[in-house]
Amino acid sequence: NAGVTQTPKFQVLKTGQSMTLQCAQDMNHEYMSWYRQDPGMGLRLIHYSVGAGITDQGEVPNGYNVSRSTTEDFPLRLLSAAPSQTSVYFCASNVGIWSGELFFGEGSRLTVL
Amino acid sequence: GENVEQHPSTLSVQEGDSAVIKCTYSDSASNYFPWYKQELGKRPQLIIDIRSNVGEKKDQRIAVTLNKTAKHFSLHITETQPEDSAVYFCAASTGGTSYGKLTFGQGTILTVHP
Repeated sequence: NAGVTQTPKFQVLKTGQSMTLQCAQDMNHEYMSWYRQDPGMGLRLIHYSVGAGITDQGEVPNGYNVSRSTTEDFPLRLLSAAPSQTSVYFCASNVGIWSGELFFGEGSRLTVL
Repeated sequence: GENVEQHPSTLSVQEGDSAVIKCTYSDSASNYFPWYKQELGKRPQLIIDIRSNVGEKKDQRIAVTLNKTAKHFSLHITETQPEDSAVYFCAASTGGTSYGKLTFGQGTILTVHP
């Protein structure tokens, strides 16, 4: 199993551009989530999904969209990038209601100029 | 919403010493408290977790304690080794359908000197 796969690993954007961070998992996990990691602030939840067709906002959802059309994929869309969205983004999955262990992807480092 | 505070932000110990990291949470509905370790440039990985019906849990050199009344929980690492050097994050959630909705602390940079 590859686990949780994120692409791209690095990306530089200009202010106002849009892009999609891809996330896929091959563990048949029900739940998937996106976090951003900033220095001194830990990881903060952006969006969350408990299954295909079901998404929910996290702590910092503004400026980001998600959709979950399949169990495997959970892409994160930046609509109009801003410098405040410069961060490291982690996608994660977990089995579902019976287990809290998150399995993280390798992360995507995004810089917005 | 939930708020998790973590202390200290940095911790430096000599190899073989013990290390303790403390966290407090605000939401009394939280009942699941994991700890993640993140090595430099790597993804966070779960090292231990505890649920609110348990006061203490051990796994070899690592232990976690929970005080529900005071709303705080702690990570204890004994006989530290240089490979324990990493950033450690505590987190909290209400479990169940919110298992993946973690609120993280700010992180503790642990350095173990040989």
